[in-house]
Amino acid sequence: AQTVTQSQPEMSVQEAETVTLSCTYDTSESDYYLFWYKQPPSRQMILVIRQEAYKQQNATENRFSVNFQKAAKSFSLKISDSQLGDAAMYFCAYGTSYDKVIFGPGTSLSVIP
Amino acid sequence: KAGVTQTPRYLIKTRGQQVTLSCSPISGHRSVSWYQQTPGQGLQFLFEYFSETQRNKGNFPGRFSGRQFSNSRSEMNVSTLELGDSALYLCASSLARGGVNTEAFFGQGTRLTVV
Repeated sequence: AQTVTQSQPEMSVQEAETVTLSCTYDTSESDYYLFWYKQPPSRQMILVIRQEAYKQQNATENRFSVNFQKAAKSFSLKISDSQLGDAAMYFCAYGTSYDKVIFGPGTSLSVIP
Repeated sequence: KAGVTQTPRYLIKTRGQQVTLSCSPISGHRSVSWYQQTPGQGLQFLFEYFSETQRNKGNFPGRFSGRQFSNSRSEMNVSTLELGDSALYLCASSLARGGVNTEAFFGQGTRLTVV
């Protein structure tokens, strides 16, 4: 069965610094999608970044980038120039085109002014 | 355009009662997925509906059920409520199935408290 693991329940970062959130997953599939979602205290979950497994190039979205290591089944999120608004729960997620999306347990990120 | 709307936002129910939660997806979206979020268990998948058919179901007891209407609005029902059903219930909508090939948009959730 597919699983998603986030080994860091809580992380903190100084404003303007860089932080990396870890995610590993387990699957026997070769074609799948990986996601990072952000859930701020207001609770609405929003998509931060998405990576297709068949693409070797790491996805980037402004200050957010991923380090996708397919062989190691690792999908970390790097947040550069951290801002106070980045404080939130971050969920790593896995999905295929024919099955449900599975979420990791989440990492709570605090940004220190 | 309007986002995903979940009603009600907050709900307090007594053990043994039943509850119905509603989710209106973004216009044009045909896929609706439901998740239960609790501090201890994280986000647990409940079910996914696409074009009025349940396409996927999570590992929840039969007390949890759902349906989707022709306008893609979805309802989730929980019967014989237990204290452990207290959670934030999130709904996500997407154009395609499961929100994998296209982005899934989440509602703000319904906070259910069972007393």
